[in-house]
Amino acid sequence: DADVTQTPRNRITKTGKRIMLECSQTKGHDRMYWYRQDPGLGLRLIYYSFDVKDINKGEISDGYSVSRQAQAKFSLSLESAIPNQTALYFCATSDSSSFSYNEQFFGPGTRLTVL
Amino acid sequence: QQQVKQSPQSLIVQKGGISIINCAYENTAFDYFPWYQQFPGKGPALLIAIRPDVSEKKEGRFTISFNKSAKQFSLHIMDSQPGDSATYFCAASRGSTLGRLYFGRGTQLTVWP
Repeated sequence: DADVTQTPRNRITKTGKRIMLECSQTKGHDRMYWYRQDPGLGLRLIYYSFDVKDINKGEISDGYSVSRQAQAKFSLSLESAIPNQTALYFCATSDSSSFSYNEQFFGPGTRLTVL
Repeated sequence: QQQVKQSPQSLIVQKGGISIINCAYENTAFDYFPWYQQFPGKGPALLIAIRPDVSEKKEGRFTISFNKSAKQFSLHIMDSQPGDSATYFCAASRGSTLGRLYFGRGTQLTVWP
């Protein structure tokens, strides 16, 4: 979905490096999410934010941190990357004011490889 | 603890056949059950969703069947086509968490021509 963009789309980094993944949206949604996808494990929630001042841990937040710089921007950081953080990362948004507030709109993903 | 259990992990169906993917949940507070479709290289996108006040919802060739007493729901794809080949995720949420989704592990569907 072009309304939700993620940068970079692909990244290779080394163990111990700090890395930031960025997500921007033009949908005007208040809620944003970060997931990681691993084969056979589905989509697992890392962090979510219901507005700029609200940040919540998901089911696998250890080793990650986030920043909600503005309503439209939500960044995910890996402070010291490790190989088992190699995965496909997705950002998603939703609109709490919409009747279909449960629907989440996903970005195209960032493929991260930690060597 | 996985909130939503999905099966099978992979499914191969012949063109024109019926594809069936099943999900089960334990939390009776869940009140919204969507299915997401993901094509290779893309993010997941909402395909169809159901709320527990109905037992079935149909949109074109896609149908959700919902069994509240068994805490199960399933996706049926009628007349499956090669273009339906994708990964499908079931999910669930509850109103109190307003928008947070709990996903199943996904089913990779391949439809042979």
